[in-house]
Amino acid sequence: AQSVTQLDSQVPVFEEAPVELRCNYSSSVSVYLFWYVQYPNQGLQLLLKYLSGSTLVKGINGFEAEFNKSQTSFHLRKPSVHISDTAEYFCAVRSQFYFGTGTSLTVIP
Amino acid sequence: DVKVTQSSRYLVKRTGEKVFLECVQDMDHENMFWYRQDPGLGLRLIYFSYDVKMKEKGDIPEGYSVSREKKERFSLILESASTNQTSMYLCASNPPGGAYEQYFGPGTRLTVT
Repeated sequence: AQSVTQLDSQVPVFEEAPVELRCNYSSSVSVYLFWYVQYPNQGLQLLLKYLSGSTLVKGINGFEAEFNKSQTSFHLRKPSVHISDTAEYFCAVRSQFYFGTGTSLTVIP
Repeated sequence: DVKVTQSSRYLVKRTGEKVFLECVQDMDHENMFWYRQDPGLGLRLIYFSYDVKMKEKGDIPEGYSVSREKKERFSLILESASTNQTSMYLCASNPPGGAYEQYFGPGTRLTVT
């Protein structure tokens, strides 16, 4: 069985500060890992994905994530956040079936 | 530009009504999905379809049914709406296999009174 845990339900951070959103997964097989973003009143859109190869994955809007097999983690990071990054962020395994419960990122001016 | 569209952004229905939520994708994707999104619970899969006329139950199918008569269209049906079905409903599609990201519609916020 596979599952996804997002440890933080809400993350407030000041503008231009760095941020890390945590995601841990459990899986007994090879995984495909995804981060999606949902802006207010919109559907989800893909930020980045890991399928294989380099463990550091770069996505849109300056976000990146690192796949750590030993810690079964796929944390999302951004070195300097903007107001426009305020949104809900979802981690997913194998894309369609296993989503985390989401992390609400609020960027404070 | 790829697109998944949902028939309504906001919908208000009365308890006991039959409700249809429509989803259309223009990417010729085999897979289509219906989720509901509730605060603190994330996305929960209601039903998915991997081909025309094929459907599979997700985690929370009770009180819902689906229809896929054409490849591009996937409908979610609430046979008799109840207040606990008040939620945001999201449709998505993707090609087969777990390596492909999903493309989501904008969502339908359904309120059942």
